[in-house]
Amino acid sequence: DIQMTQSPSSLSASVGDRVTITCRASQSISHNLNWYQQKPGKAPKLLIYSTSSLQSGVPSRFSGSGSGSDFSLTISSLQPEDFATYYCQQSYSTPYSFGQGTKLEI
Amino acid sequence: QVQLVQSGTEVKKPGSSVKVSCKTTGGTFNSFAINWVRQAPGQGLEWMGGIIPIFGTPKFAQTFQGRVTMTTDESTSTAYMELRSLGSEDTAMYYCARLRSDWNDGYFDSWGQGTLVTVSS
Repeated sequence: DIQMTQSPSSLSASVGDRVTITCRASQSISHNLNWYQQKPGKAPKLLIYSTSSLQSGVPSRFSGSGSGSDFSLTISSLQPEDFATYYCQQSYSTPYSFGQGTKLEI
Repeated sequence: QVQLVQSGTEVKKPGSSVKVSCKTTGGTFNSFAINWVRQAPGQGLEWMGGIIPIFGTPKFAQTFQGRVTMTTDESTSTAYMELRSLGSEDTAMYYCARLRSDWNDGYFDSWGQGTLVTVSS
């Protein structure tokens, strides 16, 4: 099974900051990496799919990059509504696996 | 716009079973895999498995093999997940999610609102 490791586990930042979250797979997963945002009490929401494709309706301040086993999610200028927990997820093979999450706090 | 609507909160005794439903509205049901993801309190996301309605053959995480059943009813565009032999460790929010694209390059583009399952004596 493929293990996904995110870093950092938590991150403190301010409105307007640029932040990057990284995700590493235990083996190469090509470009099959997705990112989700989850707010308390809510279902996860898809942000980025296939490493760098922006889901419809997601602001352009979110971007993804990477390949093979190393990936990143960048938020170019944090907005108040971006404070949430972020998860990466590999879809290279089942069983699908998620990173442990990165909690982005003010 | 596709929406996934799940059944309501469940409270179960240890050793019992729970069956959660997930109804798809506003979109095509048959050709997209419906997956189940759970989240224990304060914890991360765990994929349980999924099923494509027109094929009917599910994929499961090994952790749940033998204890979970996933089915679909095309007449009502509803997917079901039944988990048996419940223990306290199964207390979690259970989400259904639609997998866009195929098993090896997919992504969960629509999610249900979640169903809270509490296992307690």
